[in-house]
Amino acid sequence: GAGVSQSPSNKVTEKGKDVELRCDPISGHTALYWYRQSLGQGLEFLIYFQGNSAPDKSGLPSDRFSAERTGGSVSTLTIQRTQQEDSAVYLCASNRPGLQETQYFGPGTRLLVL
Amino acid sequence: DQQVKQNSPSLSVQEGRISILNCDYTNSMFDYFLWYKKYPAEGPTFLISISSIKDKNEDGRFTVFLNKSAKHLSLHIVPSQPGDSAVYFCAASDAGGTSYGKLTFGQGTILTVHP
Repeated sequence: GAGVSQSPSNKVTEKGKDVELRCDPISGHTALYWYRQSLGQGLEFLIYFQGNSAPDKSGLPSDRFSAERTGGSVSTLTIQRTQQEDSAVYLCASNRPGLQETQYFGPGTRLLVL
Repeated sequence: DQQVKQNSPSLSVQEGRISILNCDYTNSMFDYFLWYKKYPAEGPTFLISISSIKDKNEDGRFTVFLNKSAKHLSLHIVPSQPGDSAVYFCAASDAGGTSYGKLTFGQGTILTVHP
């Protein structure tokens, strides 16, 4: 079946511009996560949506970052006034409750801020 | 504050031998641990997991060992194959023995298996 998809796969932008990254989770998955991986680093948690509950935004690095999930499915991560340190691979994952359920990751969006 | 640490940035192993990847954690609330494998330009893919109520979980060539008292886990790959060459990430969760919640990742270890 279809996995997690993300778009665009690559994005180059100029410092100060806003960007939107999109994630389509696996159908039926109630939880959706955003992580980012900066060069040479591990994955850093950003935000987590679980069903209709308020999202866990504890990982967002600044108020320039925001995310929404419409209709319990597609999610958009928005970075306003991008900075060079925002350059990273932004990864989306999804899963559902269950002891054996793991998080399934998309291929990521590679963001480069010039 | 790095709660999950993979202290070896890279590991090189001969084909057919054992690969041992290590991971240490500091948060005693973590109760579920996972290993992910990542190829370049792809998202991480799940390999194997272990709950804190166990000390070993095996799946084919992959075995994960958990030492709770030492807050240490390791991934053993036997025998190693060239296709295992990738970045391996250790991850931990405090979501009641599941991954239904945010994961905390280590920095990753680059495994290279030479033919």
